[in-house]
Amino acid sequence: DAKTTQPTSMDCAEGRAANLPCNHSTISGNEYVYWYRQIHSQGPQYIIHGLKNNETNEMASLIITEDRKSSTLILPHATLRDTAVYYCIVRVDQTGANNLFFGTGTRLTVIP
Amino acid sequence: KAGVTQTPRYLIKTRGQQVTLSCSPISGHRSVSWYQQTPGQGLQFLFEYFSETQRNKGNFPGRFSGRQFSNSRSEMNVSTLELGDSALYLCASSLGSGQGNYGYTFGSGTRLTVV
Repeated sequence: DAKTTQPTSMDCAEGRAANLPCNHSTISGNEYVYWYRQIHSQGPQYIIHGLKNNETNEMASLIITEDRKSSTLILPHATLRDTAVYYCIVRVDQTGANNLFFGTGTRLTVIP
Repeated sequence: KAGVTQTPRYLIKTRGQQVTLSCSPISGHRSVSWYQQTPGQGLQFLFEYFSETQRNKGNFPGRFSGRQFSNSRSEMNVSTLELGDSALYLCASSLGSGQGNYGYTFGSGTRLTVV
């Protein structure tokens, strides 16, 4: 699986957009980019995923560069409840590919 | 609908004992994966079951085992507990055997402390 690189930590002011970057320069053509987050003492929560095109759902937007070597997760209006560790995972979506490598993620702190 | 249910939420065991943790996936989900989370190693994949068959296994010793029942509920067992087994054990379920369009749904975990 392609490895990912994320900043260790980031701060964001409440109400502002939080932009979390992820580098995955060795991504292969059939690998998706997935984002999960983990709020303290809870299980990880799926946020969004994409292959090539930008994606948006009720939680966030995912921007993937044209060469697919990096992506950015955007939380449009960060709230205090968005304080969490955010994991960028690159993985194929196929049978038996459930062994996700979470890495260390980015600790996002939303500041009042 | 109900989420992924893990029981018990907290557990304290003594070195050398064995423990069984339970996971009930979302109704209709057939895949259950288990992860161990420790401060030092982060989230690490243990194994995945789909339709009562283990499809994938992480790099853990044979003391860690699991099974899945016909109703998709899963259990994991750790025998001869060691202090290093103290961790948050997380279960994740998905409809099929991949992440699909909705990713995995994780439970809140079982926090195991070995003393």
